[in-house]
Amino acid sequence: TQLLEQSPQFLSIQEGENLTVYCNSSSVFSSLQWYRQEPGEGPVLLVTVVTGGEVKKLKRLTFQFGDARKDSSLHITAAQPGDTGLYLCAGDRDSNYQLIWGAGTKLIIKP
Amino acid sequence: DTGVSQDPRHKITKRGQNVTFRCDPISEHNRLYWYRQTLGQGPEFLTYFQNEAQLEKSRLLSDRFSAERPKGSFSTLEIQRTEQGDSAMYLCASSRGLAGADTQYFGPGTRLTVL
Repeated sequence: TQLLEQSPQFLSIQEGENLTVYCNSSSVFSSLQWYRQEPGEGPVLLVTVVTGGEVKKLKRLTFQFGDARKDSSLHITAAQPGDTGLYLCAGDRDSNYQLIWGAGTKLIIKP
Repeated sequence: DTGVSQDPRHKITKRGQNVTFRCDPISEHNRLYWYRQTLGQGPEFLTYFQNEAQLEKSRLLSDRFSAERPKGSFSTLEIQRTEQGDSAMYLCASSRGLAGADTQYFGPGTRLTVL
């Protein structure tokens, strides 16, 4: 059972388009992190969201944490080929060392 | 801050051989984690250390796997009698160990191929 469901699993779009990927759970998390991973490399942290309803922006990337802290979304505006990668979300539960990981969304941006 | 480093980056071995990987965490981080990742999937937790103490091991970590962090700094992950199913990316991460929002920082991984 995947405690964090990411959707879509795969997305291929043209450069310049907008997109949103989702990370959903029935569990509450004290924080949620988004990572981007390129082939053959480790995940690189993009953002950590902590407060329900929080919105964080990183250039063309907008991250939102759900009000109930059970879900999150990542919106990319005007996608570029450099955004290509595997986007992973991971949730941290209170008093638990272990991150709960989604299976990732593989994103391909075509020039 | 040099980040988390892992060595080697790639390892090709024959089935039945033993392999050892090393991870050097960010210097002020007291938690260190090992994960395994197969293609197109998220990382799967293997084990973690708080300083030199190994506090949790996943069911994925069979008796052939052992991890150490002898001085609370670098860590090693050894796989004995490797099997083809062990082929994967082995990731190490470290964190400060903060309650509530403990961010893990990952190394580049060691890609293991068992022939």
